[in-house]
Amino acid sequence: NAGVMQNPRHLVRRRGQEARLRCSPMKGHSHVYWYRQLPEEGLKFMVYLQKENIIDESGMPKERFSAEFPKEGPSILRIQQVVRGDSAAYFCASSGRDGYTFGSGTRLTVV
Amino acid sequence: QKEVEQNSGPLSVPEGAIASLNCTYSDRGSQSFFWYRQYSGKSPELIMSIYSNGDKEDGRFTAQLNKASQYVSLLIRDSQPSDSATYLCAVNDNAGGTSYGKLTFGQGTILTVHP
Repeated sequence: NAGVMQNPRHLVRRRGQEARLRCSPMKGHSHVYWYRQLPEEGLKFMVYLQKENIIDESGMPKERFSAEFPKEGPSILRIQQVVRGDSAAYFCASSGRDGYTFGSGTRLTVV
Repeated sequence: QKEVEQNSGPLSVPEGAIASLNCTYSDRGSQSFFWYRQYSGKSPELIMSIYSNGDKEDGRFTAQLNKASQYVSLLIRDSQPSDSATYLCAVNDNAGGTSYGKLTFGQGTILTVHP
């Protein structure tokens, strides 16, 4: 039973490019969360999604960031026109009756 | 703004000692409390959850919750070098036993256990 799958593990983008981060939840989980972790800091909540719905996006920056969790396929966190300050580890988690599980993260580096 | 506060450390203890990690939270509506361990470059892994006032023990780990003082702690007995990691405290608004909703994390405490 595969856990939460995130890809890519590492992503390098130049300033101004777009970054797309993917997350496939654990089998049977329909709730997905995205967190960002800056170096030497804790995880900061970004967005909470269920299939085709955004439940809570209170942690999402107002501009350039968007997230979706379509009926079919993985959840996508999209960052447009990346800046150096977007460099961080982005963790996805999913939850179901059996608990809350984190993926291995995507480490985004903006150069 | 809900806040979770931890001493960032580093906390250094000798092998075999008890490590004590502390966390305070601002939202009295918080219902569920979690301790995660995160090794450098890795994802957080859940080590303890606690929902009611008092102590909860699991092997070498004991979580303590005091809702009146808005305080949660983690004790690690017989600390081992492999326990060296960052420990993250997290809280959730949902009633204990559920697994839904966002987690609010503290900034983490770096623990070093030296031989």
